Amino acid sequence: DTEVTQTPKHLVMGMTNKKSLKCEQHMGHRAMYWYKQKAKKPPELMFVYSYEKLSINESVPSRFSPECPNSSLLNLHLHALQPEDSALYLCASSQARGRQGGETQYFGPGTRLLVL
Amino acid sequence: AQRVTQPEKLLSVFKGAPVELKCNYSYSGSPELFWYVQYSRQRLQLLLRHISRESIKGFTADLNKGETSFHLKKPFAQEEDSAMYYCALSLIQGGSEKLVFGKGTKLTVNP
Repeated sequence: DTEVTQTPKHLVMGMTNKKSLKCEQHMGHRAMYWYKQKAKKPPELMFVYSYEKLSINESVPSRFSPECPNSSLLNLHLHALQPEDSALYLCASSQARGRQGGETQYFGPGTRLLVL
Repeated sequence: AQRVTQPEKLLSVFKGAPVELKCNYSYSGSPELFWYVQYSRQRLQLLLRHISRESIKGFTADLNKGETSFHLKKPFAQEEDSAMYYCALSLIQGGSEKLVFGKGTKLTVNP
């Protein structure tokens, strides 16, 4: 399996709802990422997990809560979101070679989130 | 500050014409650079990375440290090359790697 999968494909939620986005990969990658992509904009990094530990948080509001339960799964828990949080949320994975860098990231198809 | 600049938001060429998508970067260390492509209704995927120095789908990109550039080139554009192209710079932070993307260039290849 050489793909990153994301569920659900689409999500509509109210500002008081709690929902979760799920990402899965079976490529043996030990680095996983969450990005937010607004229409006609580049992806913006939110979080990086390396060996199931949160290693980068790009000052994301606490209404977004990431979780990495094992090396294949990455979740993003959503609570009390705002309409401006509506976007495409992308998950990616890569080999985790730390300071060597230059690793290819493999992206999922994304979850399109609409907050009403 | 580390950043990636893609000066052209839109680029339109005719089929068979050469195409060059510009990318400039600002980084004090030794850069690791990538080109990612997003075709319509498809996921973001790697096109090229400078460390592998390979040609994918006829595209090449050469790192020019003097000009801090990593322009993407193809001698003869095809209609299926129409897509959104992002140049990205890899940074190490907190022992992990992150990508900083340029704003992207939308390439349209006309028949």
